[in-house]
Amino acid sequence: GENVEQHPSTLSVQEGDSAVIKCTYSDSASNYFPWYKQELGKRPQLIIDIRSNVGEKKDQRIAVTLNKTAKHFSLHITETQPEDSAVYFCAARHNNAGNMLTFGGGTRLMVKP
Amino acid sequence: GAVVSQHPSRVICKSGTSVKIECRSLDFQATTMFWYRQFPKKSLMLMATSNEGSKATYEQGVEKDKFLINHASLTLSTLTVTSAHPEDSSFYICSALGNNEQFFGPGTRLTVL
Repeated sequence: GENVEQHPSTLSVQEGDSAVIKCTYSDSASNYFPWYKQELGKRPQLIIDIRSNVGEKKDQRIAVTLNKTAKHFSLHITETQPEDSAVYFCAARHNNAGNMLTFGGGTRLMVKP
Repeated sequence: GAVVSQHPSRVICKSGTSVKIECRSLDFQATTMFWYRQFPKKSLMLMATSNEGSKATYEQGVEKDKFLINHASLTLSTLTVTSAHPEDSSFYICSALGNNEQFFGPGTRLTVL
């Protein structure tokens, strides 16, 4: 089955700096890669996603890049703000798996004011 | 976006009792719902995939007699933790598949004394 690795597990940045979180996946048939933000005790919220037919997607301060050949994708947050502090999860899915998501281990991002 | 509710939000029960958790898609129909378990500071672990009108598909290592799943309608799936023990204490989150995207419920924190 699919295996998703996420790094780093914790990341501390100064407000205004950029943050990058990286994930690798094992199943070359995966074709959908969402990123979720989870605040303490709350539900994961989809913040951005990318499909295998594009290499990059951007939404304001958030961008995601995908390298299908290397089977890795990354989340980039620019001009970080304290409210960006949360746990971020990457995930991978392919349609043959019944829309099942496989999650990475999570990254705890701390943005220091 | 689509809304998924979960009830109760938290429950404390005695060892040996059973607890039922409800997951509802409020403004869309979901033929597929997923149940996850999340330990503190850990990732979401898929427990089972629930399909309306059929038996749930359980992930390896998840006891189906222990975690009973019923998806009787297109808007409701229930997870019953039977004969709960302290090691079942966890954060349980459901998600509902709508328009090819998973929408998460707010989670249920179960504490078994």
